[in-house]
Amino acid sequence: EIVMTQSPATLSVSPGERATLSCRASQSVSSNLAWYQQKPGQAPRLIIYGASTRATGIPARFGGSGSGTEFTLTISSLQSEDFAVYYCQQYNNWPPITFGQGTRLEIK
Amino acid sequence: QVQLQESGPGLVKPSETLSLTCTVSGGSISSTYWSWIRQPAGKGLEWIGRIYISGSTDYSPALKSRVTMSVDTSKNQFSLKLSSVTAADTAIYYCARVNVHNWFDPWGQGTLVTVSS
Repeated sequence: EIVMTQSPATLSVSPGERATLSCRASQSVSSNLAWYQQKPGQAPRLIIYGASTRATGIPARFGGSGSGTEFTLTISSLQSEDFAVYYCQQYNNWPPITFGQGTRLEIK
Repeated sequence: QVQLQESGPGLVKPSETLSLTCTVSGGSISSTYWSWIRQPAGKGLEWIGRIYISGSTDYSPALKSRVTMSVDTSKNQFSLKLSSVTAADTAIYYCARVNVHNWFDPWGQGTLVTVSS
C-alpha cells in the first residue's frame, strides 16, 4: 500500500498571501496524483488531477506540481473561501487508492 | 450536471450489515466506475471500493472480506453493503463518480452512519 504523507498538518496564512502544501508518496506514483478541497460539513471537491491539471471551474490561483514522490499544491493570493482542508490522493498503484491525512489551511 | 445522493439507515447495530444506496441524477450511470469512500469524524478519507456498470468490482484489501457493491442501471443507483460492522465503521460515507484514471468527481454530500447498540 502506498502511504501518502502531507505536511504541514496545519498551515496558517494571511489572506492575499501564498500557501504551499506538500504531499509525499512512500513510492513513486508518477503523475497520478489528485488534490481535493474540503470545507466543514461538505464533501471533498476535486481541484487538481494528473498532479498539475486544474479541474473544471477551479480558479487559476490553484496550481499543482511534482511527480514521482514529491508534490506541491500552491494557492497564490489566498481568498477567504480557500481556507479549508486539502487532501492529496494517489491512483497509480492500487488497490487500495490512498489519501493523505490532510492539511488544514487556516487564516492567520 | 451529474449529482449523487446517498441514502440509508443512519444507525446500525454492531455485528449487523450496513447498507447504503447512491442515486445518480443528471446523467447516466453507464460507461464509468462509481466508488464509495468514508471518513470518520475529524479524520481522513478511506477508499472502500469501486464498481462498474457490468458489476465488475475492486475493493480495498482492508475491507474486502466484508464489502459487497452492486449496481442497478434501471434505477441509476449503486449500493454498498458492509457486514459485521463495529464502532470503527462509524463514519460519513460518500459515493463518487470515478474518472477513468481513478480520481473522484463529483461526490455526493455524504451520509453519517453510526454503529451503536
